Amino acid sequence: DTGVSQDPRHKITKRGQNVTFRCDPISEHNRLYWYRQTLGQGPEFLTYFQNEAQLEKSRLLSDRFSAERPKGSFSTLEIQRTEQGDSAMYLCASSLDRAGVNYGYTFGSGTRLTVV
Amino acid sequence: AQTVTQSQPEMSVQEAETVTLSCTYDTSESDYYLFWYKQPPSRQMILVIRQEAYKQQNATENRFSVNFQKAAKSFSLKISDSQLGDAAMYFCAYGEGAQKLVFGQGTRLTINP
Repeated sequence: DTGVSQDPRHKITKRGQNVTFRCDPISEHNRLYWYRQTLGQGPEFLTYFQNEAQLEKSRLLSDRFSAERPKGSFSTLEIQRTEQGDSAMYLCASSLDRAGVNYGYTFGSGTRLTVV
Repeated sequence: AQTVTQSQPEMSVQEAETVTLSCTYDTSESDYYLFWYKQPPSRQMILVIRQEAYKQQNATENRFSVNFQKAAKSFSLKISDSQLGDAAMYFCAYGEGAQKLVFGQGTRLTINP
């Protein structure tokens, strides 16, 4: 297993276009998280899944954002009608939930979105 | 809501010296986890060290150690014998059980040769 993979690494899009990002977690990890990170700031939580169930969504996640994890494996994050304020690094992370113990996440390299 | 504060936006240290990065957090819980993550320029975040709140003993990983003060809600990271490869953004994070992590704003660490 090569860790958490994110695709694409970079995406430039015009304002108003839709974009979709993909995350492939570590295969045995049952939890998958999406975060957004702007330059010089810490990651901000967006949403997370346990297997295929989306357990929590941040208020940051407007109606234009949707995330799925259809088979409990890979996940997609879609942003509709992109705005310049959506420009950020989108980070995916995964973890194995073992009896409520938090061992921390394994992060992917992120997808950098630039909206022009 | 839980918050994590890193009051030092930037720190610098001479190579081979020791540096301490500060982190405070706010919670009403008694059982939780604390982490330090490292994010090198243009590279992914990696876990540096983890602390369980119910353990009084401070965590240590090679040159990295923490000073966990539960009553003061303080969780500082000490890097001994600093190396050029330690240059990165460092983020403190808080988590309850297997829930999401809340991150601080980060501290940019520069190592001077």
